[in-house]
Order: sequence, then structure tokens, then C-alpha cells
Amino acid sequence: DAGVIQSPRHEVTEMGQEVTLRCKPISGHNSLFWYRQTMMRGLELLIYFNNNVPIDDSGMPEDRFSAKMPNASFSTLKIQPSEPRDSAVYFCASSYSTGEPQETQYFGPGTRLLVL
Amino acid sequence: QKEVEQNSGPLSVPEGAIASLNCTYSDRGSQSFFWYRQYSGKSPELIMFIYSNGDKEDGRFTAQLNKASQYVSLLIRDSQPSDSATYLCAVRGYSGGNKLVFGAGTILRVKS
Repeated sequence: DAGVIQSPRHEVTEMGQEVTLRCKPISGHNSLFWYRQTMMRGLELLIYFNNNVPIDDSGMPEDRFSAKMPNASFSTLKIQPSEPRDSAVYFCASSYSTGEPQETQYFGPGTRLLVL
Repeated sequence: QKEVEQNSGPLSVPEGAIASLNCTYSDRGSQSFFWYRQYSGKSPELIMFIYSNGDKEDGRFTAQLNKASQYVSLLIRDSQPSDSATYLCAVRGYSGGNKLVFGAGTILRVKS
């Protein structure tokens, strides 16, 4: 079975440019999570969706960041305008939300973003 | 106080030894606890989860949970060089919906 798919795997852009990261969750999963990982701050949750609806976006750094989930099989994370401090690895994860304690998140390979 | 705390390490153990990784959490109502392994340049992968007090064993791995002490640990028996990675502890809180809070991770190095 295909896991979580992310694209692009690497992105190099210049400050001020728009960056769009894409994620396809595991088929049948109804929760999707966007994380950012840096050496300084570790793995941080940015936003998560249940059944395509944003539930908690308290981790989104600022208005430059936005996320959408137009359908159950696709989500985007957009940064506009990008800044050098946005350089990080961005992970998408998905899970099948049952409300049970053993609900598990599965991570995609990540997008390594470098903003010059 | 951070919500989930781990010693950053590195924790160095010789091949064949038991590696013990520890994690404490602040939310007393936390419901479930996960251990992920992350190799350098790769994404986190689930090793195991635990949600009841006591021990849970899976192959060479044992997770231990003590909710009264707000403490969860991961033991790796017969450590192998391939176990060298960063181990992330993640906690699902009582009021956090289905989101996880991750610790900063412990770097484990197994020396042959």
C-alpha cells in the first residue's frame, strides 16, 4: 500500500517567493497533519484536519502560512511570501481517526525547504 | 516546562547492550504514548505505542508507562548499530483531540 506522498521532496527558493507543498494522505485516512521540523524547535504541529475540516491551526506561525484540504486525498501548505527562517523539513502525516487511544499517525517522506 | 521532555543525548551503548530511553510529560490526563524512530534525513516511523500502565513488549522493544509518575520509557534489548537513530516520544493529551505533542528526541548511538 502506498504511504503518505509528499511533493516536492526538495525545494529551493528565494526570499519573497511563494512556496506550495503538497500531500496525499493514505487512502481511507480521515485526519491529516502538517508538521515542521528544525534543529532548534524540533517537530512542531502546524495544523491538522479531520474529514477535510481544519481543527487546530494554533501552530501556524503567522499569516504567511495557509493550508487547505479540498478533498480527502489532497492537501496543500502554502507560504507566501517565504522567508529564510521558514527553511525546515515539512512533514505531512495521516491517520484514521477513531477516537481510540491507539490511533496512529503515519508520516510522509517530507519536503526539505531552503529559502535563500 | 515543556509538555514532553526527553534527554537529547547522545546516549551511547555498546552493541548487544540494553538501551533505555526516557520521556516525561506534563499533562496528567494524557491518554496514549508513542515512540517513533527517525534516521538522519528520514521521516519518523512508529515503533510502538502504549496506553495502559505497565509494560508492552514487541520483539526487542519494550515500552513502559507509569501514569502516576508521568513517565514513559523505551527499552531496546540486544542493541544493534542499525538502532542508531533519534527516538521521539509523542503524547496524545486528554483535551488535544487526536493531535500529538512530540519531545525533542534522544539521539542513540550503538557502537560495534
